[in-house]
Amino acid sequence: EADIYQTPRYLVIGTGKKITLECSQTMGHDKMYWYQQDPGMELHLIHYSYGVNSTEKGDLSSESTVSRIRTEHFPLTLESARPSHTSQYLCASSYQTSGRAGEQFFGPGTRLTVL
Amino acid sequence: SQKIEQNSEALNIQEGKTATLTCNYTNYSPAYLQWYRQDPGRGPVFLLLIRENEKEKRKERLKVTFDTTLKQSLFHITASQPADSATYLCALAPGYSSASKIIFGSGTRLSIRP
Repeated sequence: EADIYQTPRYLVIGTGKKITLECSQTMGHDKMYWYQQDPGMELHLIHYSYGVNSTEKGDLSSESTVSRIRTEHFPLTLESARPSHTSQYLCASSYQTSGRAGEQFFGPGTRLTVL
Repeated sequence: SQKIEQNSEALNIQEGKTATLTCNYTNYSPAYLQWYRQDPGRGPVFLLLIRENEKEKRKERLKVTFDTTLKQSLFHITASQPADSATYLCALAPGYSSASKIIFGSGTRLSIRP
């Protein structure tokens, strides 16, 4: 079982609210990722980080923002939630060095519903 | 454009048979390819990795092949069991550098009937 945690697991919130999805890992991984996945669909990378103070946008445009102030923590924030943000959000981490081959460890996900 | 394609249809296999899942890619020259398992409502779990210079990799009842000429990977589960029922995702890494990202396919849903 991977040591990567996400909270909350489920969140139902009204339009316009600000939300933060938490992700923490205890494996000392440098690389962390946020994916968005709708039911039965592929994972889309929305943000990633190579280490502290490093963040990049992924392949899927997202209105969310992320921060990486500590190695183990990679929160995702939506300033104003909308129904189009309803989805499953998955956090993952991996080792930095190419020799480790880049397998990703995923958290359990947060299922977000915006009413 | 670059894309990864997996069996779009769900695969239904009788218990004990070998399940074979396909992953095809276009316009990539991946350094390596990975396979993950995903159960409903949960995050994917890493299963196997195969590098571009490897033809085949095995782990217990799992076998992965990688044909860079055909741009295809096959994922086999031998002696399949109902507990193997899940969605299986193919993912590839465009390069070895630390800047490389993993690109996922949409997955194939596998059902093993008793």
